[in-house]
Amino acid sequence: DGGITQSPKYLFRKEGQNVTLSCEQNLNHDAMYWYRQDPGQGLRLIYYSQIVNDFQKGDIAEGYSVSREKKESFPLTVTSAQKNPTAFYLCASSIALQQPQHFGDGTRLSIL
Amino acid sequence: KQEVTQIPAALSVPEGENLVLNCSFTDSAIYNLQWFRQDPGKGLTSLLLIQSSQREQTSGRLNASLDKSSGRSTLYIAASQPGDSATYLCAVDSNYQLIWGAGTKLIIKP
Repeated sequence: DGGITQSPKYLFRKEGQNVTLSCEQNLNHDAMYWYRQDPGQGLRLIYYSQIVNDFQKGDIAEGYSVSREKKESFPLTVTSAQKNPTAFYLCASSIALQQPQHFGDGTRLSIL
Repeated sequence: KQEVTQIPAALSVPEGENLVLNCSFTDSAIYNLQWFRQDPGKGLTSLLLIQSSQREQTSGRLNASLDKSSGRSTLYIAASQPGDSATYLCAVDSNYQLIWGAGTKLIIKP
């Protein structure tokens, strides 16, 4: 079945540590996105990629980094510069920008 | 700056009732509006997408309407079932980004 796979489902980070969240899609979509979801708030865009080897900052990119070396993969690194990383992280993809987005099941990141 | 609001934040109704969820946005210059469903601890499932030139979309028991001039969309759920219990989010596509509401948590009581 085609879809988006996020791993791990739960992730714990120690203070000062970088962690990387995985997002893989086999939908042959060009565009991919990373969102952060906090309780009682709407999703906020961290980064998005329109095509391989290209990505753009979203509204809350500070403390995060991404790469898009392969069409099917868009990993997100939460760096130690992100002071409040505890949240639910969602990855999505779409055929192109402004087309319906398909979502993974998310990764919940917590600080030890 | 586009802002999206969903009221109420939570709603509890008996099974079988028809209900309406509301979404409002501040800037009418949108490309489309989408409604999503989110189950606890899960990702989002797209329910309906309304292009800016459309007034409504229907899928099964769901009907979404769009009034750009007033900055409003509604999601109508007919004959609600316990399986409809979830959080419903709306998002407007504005300037190549989705701007999201905080969602309405819906509980359907058997």
